[in-house]
Amino acid sequence: GQNIDQPTEMTATEGAIVQINCTYQTSGFNGLFWYQQHAGEAPTFLSYNVLDGLEEKGRFSSFLSRSKGYSYLLLKELQMKDSASYLCAALDSNYQLIWGAGTKLIIKP
Amino acid sequence: GAVVSQHPSWVICKSGTSVKIECRSLDFQATTMFWYRQFPKQSLMLMATSNEGSKATYEQGVEKDKFLINHASLTLSTLTVTSAHPEDSSFYICSAGKETEAFFGQGTRLTVV
Repeated sequence: GQNIDQPTEMTATEGAIVQINCTYQTSGFNGLFWYQQHAGEAPTFLSYNVLDGLEEKGRFSSFLSRSKGYSYLLLKELQMKDSASYLCAALDSNYQLIWGAGTKLIIKP
Repeated sequence: GAVVSQHPSWVICKSGTSVKIECRSLDFQATTMFWYRQFPKQSLMLMATSNEGSKATYEQGVEKDKFLINHASLTLSTLTVTSAHPEDSSFYICSAGKETEAFFGQGTRLTVV
């Protein structure tokens, strides 16, 4: 079956770095998305990876290893406003989105 | 976790016809459902927020007469693409809200020929 795994919850300190991991098993693969979702709001797009490697975008970076079925989202210089849920989603061969359950990130002062 | 079922998974229709997509929350009641459109390899675009028992709130640039949304019950919202054209071909995704979280459907791939 198709499956996405990511941790349920993580806690980090303001100013620090945190890495949120995501592993996936899908029928074919057409890319992996990371979204940020604040409570009560719609998710916002963070990144899309389809090739292996690290893509950096400001304080956020996303990494993909297709051979390992693995991705991570790296958040640097954490700010209180980064407290949110982070959703990992993989696009399968039919362009169906397979969603992870999300990782709730708690930032402490 | 909560389950959101979207139907159909894919549909092919002729230009000028209408297509209805259903979004159901299977194990919880959702007062709010969101409809998104996703272009290939791009971000989700929020189209509208569907509120049970009231009119949907559409995002700027989304034609409400073309994309009809009905949220008739706490477990079902429908999106009808009226008079579909090839440019409406896309991936449509719904999500249903529960407390402060949103759970996503599998998506519907619409192809208009």
